[in-house]
Amino acid sequence: GAGVSQSPSNKVTEKGKDVELRCDPISGHTALYWYRQRLGQGLEFLIYFQGNSAPDKSGLPSDRFSAERTGESVSTLTIQRTQQEDSAVYLCASSLGTNNEQFFGPGTRLTVL
Amino acid sequence: AQSVTQLGSHVSVSEGALVLLRCNYSSSVPPYLFWYVQYPNQGLQLLLKYTSAATLVKGINGFEAEFKKSETSFHLTKPSAHMSDAAEYFCAVSGPSGTYKYIFGTGTRLKVLA
Repeated sequence: GAGVSQSPSNKVTEKGKDVELRCDPISGHTALYWYRQRLGQGLEFLIYFQGNSAPDKSGLPSDRFSAERTGESVSTLTIQRTQQEDSAVYLCASSLGTNNEQFFGPGTRLTVL
Repeated sequence: AQSVTQLGSHVSVSEGALVLLRCNYSSSVPPYLFWYVQYPNQGLQLLLKYTSAATLVKGINGFEAEFKKSETSFHLTKPSAHMSDAAEYFCAVSGPSGTYKYIFGTGTRLKVLA
């Protein structure tokens, strides 16, 4: 497709379970970003990938959160031992380069019961 | 450190009326500023951006914003609201040279009344 896609669109899980969220960036975009959007709050930066450089993980809230990206393609955000406070919309974005406009996907709404 | 404040989490306007969504920022360096719109169940879409060129920035769908350094503001306006403008709007700031760590405001949900 032409835009950033994310899957699943909705995920309901039980506290303590692991979840994986997927992001397919726009083809050719070297930069990829993950954000978290809690109810009533702005977007929080989580992690940034640029090409083959080491990712910037400075926004990850705890060691239960991790993300991977293979080359300049798909990225997976993994949350281990989910907690209720992890409930949020997780947004992925990609851009041609670091200083270019970020294009956002529709997000994955995660609900932890 | 950069920060963004959006005044009013909900704004209602009548169709045809002026839209004004407020954004104030804090930045220790000349900022890049953005307005994004989010329609239900969709990702964020860039409306417009300020990158230190003209202080009055025109965006898509008839929106514009003016960078006022003295007031540290970047308010979003549209002369005449349309029903299709109903959405959530986010102001964001980034650091010098367009650093990728955008800082977003908490958003303003715009409701347009018939």
